[in-house]
Amino acid sequence: KQEVTQIPAALSVPEGENLVLNCSFTDSAIYNLQWFRQDPGKGLTSLLLIQSSQREQTSGRLNASLDKSSGRSTLYIAASQPGDSATYLCAVSPSSGNTGKLIFGQGTTLQVKP
Amino acid sequence: GAVVSQHPSRVICKSGTSVKIECRSLDFQATTMFWYRQFPKQSLMLMATSNEGSKATYEQGVEKDKFLINHASLTLSTLTVTSAHPEDSSFYICSASIWGRGWPEAFFGQGTRLTVV
Repeated sequence: KQEVTQIPAALSVPEGENLVLNCSFTDSAIYNLQWFRQDPGKGLTSLLLIQSSQREQTSGRLNASLDKSSGRSTLYIAASQPGDSATYLCAVSPSSGNTGKLIFGQGTTLQVKP
Repeated sequence: GAVVSQHPSRVICKSGTSVKIECRSLDFQATTMFWYRQFPKQSLMLMATSNEGSKATYEQGVEKDKFLINHASLTLSTLTVTSAHPEDSSFYICSASIWGRGWPEAFFGQGTRLTVV
């Protein structure tokens, strides 16, 4: 059974700091891995999607890496800003008999202090 | 990108009543949609897979008679919480996947905050 774990559960950093969020998964049979942002009481915003054949994806100050063989992904946020404060979720799309469902980690709640 | 619209965004209902939540794919056809539930400060848990024209597939531990799912068209899936109780208060969110070049990419609705009083 696929399990997704995110570390740390919460993180507080001063503005301007670079930071790394970690995600691990137990089954490497995946189509892809997605990172989402969730603001309090809101829905999900997709940040980055990495296909299983890819090693990393970049969007602006965000860079996500994927090491499928070791079951790990990281989300790197450069020069953090208070507006980056949110919960970050990673999710994998299992490739075995899957029509598109996602398995989510518990999330990392980030607070960037001005 | 593909757009998934979910309605209502918030609903408050009395205990014992039923609530229907709609999930629509606005610019694409979705043969399969997914319903997730999120308790406060917890992650999203898949409740069921909604299949157009057939019965939904429920995850273990999800009561199919309590959470009725109907996927009558390629653009609409509905989740009805029947005889709602305070413990059903939660954030419900739907998604639909597009298969582009051989893999799925999920698009999510805005979510529905259900409060049962």
